[in-house]
Amino acid sequence: AQTVTQSQPEMSVQEAETVTLSCTYDTSENNYYLFWYKQPPSRQMILVIRQEAYKQQNATENRFSVNFQKAAKSFSLKISDSQLGDTAMYFCAFMSYNFNKFYFGSGTKLNVKP
Amino acid sequence: KAGVTQTPRYLIKTRGQQVTLSCSPISGHRSVSWYQQTPGQGLQFLFEYFSETQRNKGNFPGRFSGRQFSNSRSEMNVSTLELGDSALYLCASSLESGGMETQYFGPGTRLLVL
Repeated sequence: AQTVTQSQPEMSVQEAETVTLSCTYDTSENNYYLFWYKQPPSRQMILVIRQEAYKQQNATENRFSVNFQKAAKSFSLKISDSQLGDTAMYFCAFMSYNFNKFYFGSGTKLNVKP
Repeated sequence: KAGVTQTPRYLIKTRGQQVTLSCSPISGHRSVSWYQQTPGQGLQFLFEYFSETQRNKGNFPGRFSGRQFSNSRSEMNVSTLELGDSALYLCASSLESGGMETQYFGPGTRLLVL
């Protein structure tokens, strides 16, 4: 069975610093997608970044980048130059290639301090 | 463009009742997915509808059902409500189906079962 594990329930970071959120997953599939979603307090969930498993290059979106280690089944999110608006719950998610499986981790609550 | 809207935003029901939740996707989006978010189980994928057909389904009992109309609006129904069905129900829409599509989430419907 596929599972997604986020081992850090809560993290804090100072504004302007860098923080890394961890995510590991378990799958026997070779092709799949990985996502990081952000859910700010009382606001809607939004997609932060996406990685296709068949692409070796790590995805980046402005201040957000991932470290995708396929063999280790690891998918961490790095947030550079943290901003107060980054304060949110972050969910790592796994989707099988044909979308018939979609699993989320338990989330990491990130608090960016001024 | 208007975002994804969900109605109602809050709902209180009693055990044994049934409930219908509604989701209006972003104009032009053909895929609508439903998720359940609880403190205990976290985020779980319920099902996805695409062009009025259920395309993918998570691991939920048959009490959870849904449908999609020709205008892509979707409804989710939960019959014989249980206390454990209390949750935030999120809906998300995307242009097409699949991992390469960005899902846009609605604000959710918070259901309380007494």
